[in-house]
Order: sequence, then structure tokens, then C-alpha cells
Amino acid sequence: NAGVMQNPRHLVRRRGQEARLRCSPVKGHSHVYWYRQLPEEGLKFMVYLQKENIIDESGMPKERFSAEFPKEGPSILRIQQVVRGDSAAYFCASFLGQGNGETQYFGPGTRLLVL
Amino acid sequence: SQKIEQNSEALNIQEGKTATLTCNYTNYSPAYLQWYRQDPGRGPVFLLLIRENEKEKRKERLKVTFDTTLKQSLFHITASQPADSATYLCALPKAAGNKLTFGGGTRVLVKP
Repeated sequence: NAGVMQNPRHLVRRRGQEARLRCSPVKGHSHVYWYRQLPEEGLKFMVYLQKENIIDESGMPKERFSAEFPKEGPSILRIQQVVRGDSAAYFCASFLGQGNGETQYFGPGTRLLVL
Repeated sequence: SQKIEQNSEALNIQEGKTATLTCNYTNYSPAYLQWYRQDPGRGPVFLLLIRENEKEKRKERLKVTFDTTLKQSLFHITASQPADSATYLCALPKAAGNKLTFGGGTRVLVKP
């Protein structure tokens, strides 16, 4: 009964490179949120995806950031041309999508460091 | 704008005592409120959910209250243990649905 898996756990990139973060939700979950956590700050919502659909991307910067959740395979958060300010922990959380107030199951996070 | 405030100062407490954490919010009328635990280097883990029509919820040594008039939730850890040391986050839904806004968290350190 695997929980949410994220990889890589740690990612180091130089400024201008691309970062690809992967999230495999709990088996059977078709809803995924991505959150970003800066050091000493709370989690900030970025994007909400359902299989093959972006439901809400209001928390995601318009430039350089994109997300997808294909029919098969993990959800991907892509950051192009990374800058130092992108250094943070990125968490995904999955849930079933059956009603309000559902428990969200978080992955261990990917810690991105931009040099 | 909507705001969630948790005490950013760490709470140091002696083993066996009750730890009480506060979550205050403004410009919200949430249908529910959730509490999570986060250990260093890990993702948050769901602990408790309390709905707007519930005053109090318990789970083992944890107790949560929800006062929609004061716009405040209190989170209690009774008979605290060193293993309870972690950061505790409160979270509210931004609107209808499950998108959550998190407070900054309060770090709890239980000393033996």
C-alpha cells in the first residue's frame, strides 16, 4: 500500500537549467496538488491537477512553470530556466476527490537547490 | 485578504505536560479546518479535521477546538512525549473544495 512517492528527493540545478519533479499519487487517487515550501515558511498552493486536466493553476507563476498529470504515469512539475529564488521544497499531495475536507496524503517532497 | 496565523515561536514543553497551539484566521469562513504534523525533511502528515459545526474533536492524546466566532482553533497535545516534537500546521480550504492554505506552523519541542 504505497503512499505518495516523489522523485528525486534532492535536485541540484544551475541557474538557467530545467528542473523536472515527479509525483506518483496513492494508488487509485486521481487528484494531485503541488505545494511549494520556502525555508521557515508555510506551504503555498501552486496547482491542482486531475488526470489529464489542470483544474486550478492560480498559485503557479505564469512564466517558466508548468505542470501535467497524464493518463498514465506520474504528475510532473517542470521549472524551466531555474533561478535561485526557485530553491525550495516542493510537495505533492493526492486525494480521491470524493468530497470536501478529504485527507490529503503528502509525499516526502523534492528539495530543489539552484546554484 | 485571507490570513492564517500560528505562533512562529517554538514551544518548549516538559514531557507529560499539555502543549497548546493556536491557529487564528481572518477573512475566512471555512467549512472545516485541518491540522498536520511535519517532521524535518518530510512531508506533512494529516492529523485531524474539524468541521464548522463541531466545537471539539479528539484523537488519542490530541484535541482540537474550533471557534468560528473567534476565528480560532486550538490544538492540544496531552501527556506530551519527546516523539511529539515536530512542527504542527493548521490549514483551511481557500474556497469550496480541497485547496488548502497553510499557516506557517509552530515548532514543538518536548523535553524529557
